[in-house]
Amino acid sequence: ETGVTQSPTHLIKTRGQQVTLRCSSQSGHNTVSWYQQALGQGPQFIFQYYREEENGRGNFPPRFSGLQFPNYSSELNVNALELDDSALYLCASSLVVGGNTEAFFGQGTRLTVV
Amino acid sequence: DQQVKQNSPSLSVQEGRISILNCDYTNSMFDYFLWYKKYPAEGPTFLISISSIKDKNEDGRFTVFLNKSAKHLSLHIVPSQPGDSAVYFCAARGTTSGTYKYIFGTGTRLKVLA
Repeated sequence: ETGVTQSPTHLIKTRGQQVTLRCSSQSGHNTVSWYQQALGQGPQFIFQYYREEENGRGNFPPRFSGLQFPNYSSELNVNALELDDSALYLCASSLVVGGNTEAFFGQGTRLTVV
Repeated sequence: DQQVKQNSPSLSVQEGRISILNCDYTNSMFDYFLWYKKYPAEGPTFLISISSIKDKNEDGRFTVFLNKSAKHLSLHIVPSQPGDSAVYFCAARGTTSGTYKYIFGTGTRLKVLA
């Protein structure tokens, strides 16, 4: 049990639609990252939020966007869904104060785009 | 461009024996390495980590070895137990403009046979 919860656990959307995925960080963590894990692959970094601001981004198009709220919970929004967006989306929270720290992952949201 | 590679997609080991999972990386600027374990329908769970300034870290049955000159790390599990059967991901932490980003390998599926 990592204290990171994601909702929903499963979701089916149609190509072209928009989707919002949610994440509640572990208590006290100020940083949240989102990852996309396609079948048979490792998690791929989408972006990271620190104190409500985007603080780094991977190779994902602008239709992937996010928000972090004052309570450090977070949302991942994907517009104009494509079939290739079908994947497990993972949220990870951490407390970045310098030094070594691990990220704690939620159970993920499995998104299927049809 | 896969900066973190796990070249063995699967590994089978007899219960009680040693499991050795390997990981190679290309970026000498990675400063921190982690191993995660993932069961089906769950998010990755942090297992063990190692700083780039060390060559070994041990936690119970789990030991991670880092060979910086070879850009190689390995996870040793001894003795292996059936409950260790899972997908194991190695991850490396890179820093870009003050942002920590974790780059994952594609995973190795470990099966411990009773």
